[in-house]
Amino acid sequence: NAGVMQNPRHLVRRRGQEARLRCSPVKGHSHVYWYRQLPEEGLKFMVYLQKENIIDESGMPKERFSAEFPKEGPSILRIQQVVRGDSAAYFCASSPISLGGGSNQPQHFGDGTRLSIL
Amino acid sequence: SQQGEEDPQALSIQEGENATMNCSYKTSINNLQWYRQNSGRGLVHLILIRSNEREKHSGRLRVTLDTSKKSSSLLITASRAADTASYFCATAQGGSEKLVFGKGTKLTVNP
Repeated sequence: NAGVMQNPRHLVRRRGQEARLRCSPVKGHSHVYWYRQLPEEGLKFMVYLQKENIIDESGMPKERFSAEFPKEGPSILRIQQVVRGDSAAYFCASSPISLGGGSNQPQHFGDGTRLSIL
Repeated sequence: SQQGEEDPQALSIQEGENATMNCSYKTSINNLQWYRQNSGRGLVHLILIRSNEREKHSGRLRVTLDTSKKSSSLLITASRAADTASYFCATAQGGSEKLVFGKGTKLTVNP
């Protein structure tokens, strides 16, 4: 069984460019979460999505950042007009449908995309 | 601010010794989870303990939860060099799907 797949593993962008990060959840999982991790720090929640719906985007900056999880295809985290402060590791996690809600299940993480801004 | 705070920030032990990591949190929770992260990799789920549980075991792992003190501990017994990694606690609060992570404990097990 394939786990959470993220690509690319490493992404280099110049200031002002766009970054697109992709995440394919575990097959059958309908909850997707994006987190950001700075060096020597824990993960910070950004956004929680279900198919075609953003459920909680309380951790996402209001400008330049957007996320989607379409009916078909991977979830995308998009950062427009990147700045140096966007340099970080971005992790995607997924969990299955749960009557208790996704947070009552362990989350399955991908290996992340390391974004570097020149 | 971080919900979970791990203690210590770094821990270095010899193979065969036990490693204990602590986590404190601030608000009421549905459950608390421990994850492990090897350098350059994603997080791997280790164990989930619900708010109505006090202790849980999984192989060489033992987790305790004290909701009155808002704290948890992770014990790794008979450590191995392969246990070298960062360990994070994460809390899930009622009504929210997101996990809130601490800054982690960096464990080094020397062969």
